[in-house]
Amino acid sequence: SAVISQKPSRDICQRGTSLTIQCQVDSQVTMMFWYRQQPGQSLTLIATANQGSEATYESGFVIDKFPISRPNLTFSTLTVSNMSPEDSSIYLCSVEVGLGFYGYTFGSGTRLTVV
Amino acid sequence: AQKITQTQPGMFVQEKEAVTLDCTYDTSDPSYGLFWYKQPSSGEMIFLIYQGSYDQQNATEGRYSLNFQKARKSANLVISASQLGDSAMYFCAMREGLGTGRRALTFGSGTRLQVQP
Repeated sequence: SAVISQKPSRDICQRGTSLTIQCQVDSQVTMMFWYRQQPGQSLTLIATANQGSEATYESGFVIDKFPISRPNLTFSTLTVSNMSPEDSSIYLCSVEVGLGFYGYTFGSGTRLTVV
Repeated sequence: AQKITQTQPGMFVQEKEAVTLDCTYDTSDPSYGLFWYKQPSSGEMIFLIYQGSYDQQNATEGRYSLNFQKARKSANLVISASQLGDSAMYFCAMREGLGTGRRALTFGSGTRLQVQP
């Protein structure tokens, strides 16, 4: 199965600033998924990132707030822009293993606190 | 409408006993997959078990088994012989349209399991 290295693992940021989260996969994958997990909540999909095309955002998430880059088949970044305390969450990237029959692998998550 | 419903916000179980975590789902797609993940306090997501909609038998992985009742649209996770290390959040998730369409997982609200010594 794929192994994902996600950085940073945690950060404390000032409101109004931006943070870029990186995910590096040890094998080539077609799609990468970015999720947000607000405190005490479940995982919510932010967007799906295909290499070579614009990311597809879910309702309630916009590119200006969460720009995503996918420059190749092993790497993606998510930026949380102009942060407010409401952005304090765990952010996770994920990739398929196989065709979804064997599970999805997740990065270790980025625990973001905005003060 | 909720696609994945987990009605137990929290569960307690005694060490070495079995516990069942409930999950019901809603889909009109005949081809789907159901997943269970464990999330300890560290925040990582650990894949536990998978059940495909066309699988004839219930999935099992070590101490984990999935009680799949297709007609009732339920996919309950059974953990046998609970251990203290099983204390965590457990999420049920679904992917619809296997091989086509949306490929991301949809998650339930989760169940926090606490194993007591």
